[in-house]
Amino acid sequence: DTEVTQTPKHLVMGMTNKKSLKCEQHMGHRAMYWYKQKAKKPPELMFVYSYEKLSINESVPSRFSPECPNSSLLNLHLHALQPEDSALYLCASSQGRTSGPRGSYEQYFGPGTRLTVT
Amino acid sequence: GDSVTQMEGPVTLSEEAFLTINCTYTATGYPSLFWYVQYPGEGLQLLLKATKADDKGSNKGFEATYRKETTSFHLEKGSVQVSDSAVYFCALRGAGFQKLVFGTGTRLLVSP
Repeated sequence: DTEVTQTPKHLVMGMTNKKSLKCEQHMGHRAMYWYKQKAKKPPELMFVYSYEKLSINESVPSRFSPECPNSSLLNLHLHALQPEDSALYLCASSQGRTSGPRGSYEQYFGPGTRLTVT
Repeated sequence: GDSVTQMEGPVTLSEEAFLTINCTYTATGYPSLFWYVQYPGEGLQLLLKATKADDKGSNKGFEATYRKETTSFHLEKGSVQVSDSAVYFCALRGAGFQKLVFGTGTRLLVSP
């Protein structure tokens, strides 16, 4: 099973709202990722969690707040977003090793949450 | 830094035509290489992968060979179907890194 699930599928929020995106995987992966994808562009990395610790923050504005409650779950808390934050938000997971014997450590993506900020 | 270059799209083909989508990369060491496919309104699906030179990844009739001498990982399929219409992303993962570096994506349109 290579499934990553994301909820909700669609989200519309105002600029003063607080909402959360949720991601879950049961593949035993120890690295989880948040990406932002604008139309006709490749995904842009936002955050990486490795073994439940934040390992990469790609200078993302503080109105995006990630959380990794356990090795299977990843949340993205949203607050005071701007209309330009409207995008498809993708979660991904992979094996957690970043050194040692080389492997592909391919990332598996969820279906995404389509976010619209009004 | 590492980078991936893909051919501009859209690529427009008739059903049963031969497909090639070019991908070249720049990276230090020995990256792992991937092709992902994104159907309209969906997330990315891993299509195939290769981890070392001369490896051939294959899946669902698609193939790509890791060519270190030409730093390429071109995607091919012998006979495309309408259902193959999607955006295809070439990507690399540098050794020891968690980041994926994506190409810009190539849209494939297959008509009946």
